[in-house]
Amino acid sequence: AQTVTQSQPEMSVQEAETVTLSCTYDTSESDYYLFWYKQPPSRQMILVIRQEAYKQQNATENRFSVNFQKAAKSFSLKISDSQLGDAAMYFCAYRSGYNFNKFYFGSGTKLNVKP
Amino acid sequence: DGGITQSPKYLFRKEGQNVTLSCEQNLNHDAMYWYRQDPGQGLRLIYYSQIVNDFQKGDIAEGYSVSREKKESFPLTVTSAQKNPTAFYLCATTTGGYQPQHFGDGTRLSIL
Repeated sequence: AQTVTQSQPEMSVQEAETVTLSCTYDTSESDYYLFWYKQPPSRQMILVIRQEAYKQQNATENRFSVNFQKAAKSFSLKISDSQLGDAAMYFCAYRSGYNFNKFYFGSGTKLNVKP
Repeated sequence: DGGITQSPKYLFRKEGQNVTLSCEQNLNHDAMYWYRQDPGQGLRLIYYSQIVNDFQKGDIAEGYSVSREKKESFPLTVTSAQKNPTAFYLCATTTGGYQPQHFGDGTRLSIL
């Protein structure tokens, strides 16, 4: 089974600064999809960004970007110009390209944003 | 509006009681999921369903049951066999390919 590891339980960043959240995954599959979700205190799960494994180009969504290193099985999330509203739990997720119904989530990283 | 509706938002269970959490979707997604989230923790899969009248156990299915009689609905019953049901429960749906999961707003279940 695939595993997703987020090694940073909690991180802090100053408002307007940049922060990178780490995610690694273990898989023998060549086709898969990766996602970052944000869960604010309201506990709603919000999709932040997605990456297809077959794409070499790193995904970008406004202030959010990823560094996808397929050989290293690494999928980090960079948040630029951090805002107070970015404070949340962030979860990395893996979806198999062979068994589409299987999703695997990391344990999450709590991001604090200091004014 | 398309979306996933979970109800109720808050639920209280008495000892020995079964309770049912509702999850309804109008996204026309085939697959539906139930997750449990404990405070400060990640998501753990309880059950999932790919099609109507079919569902599979996840990692922590003991003490829970589900049904999938309609594509739009995937209710979760927390039975009295689940000794520690206090948690936040999330329902999710997805379609095929590279699509992400979409989540409802969750139900918070507590013991009275």
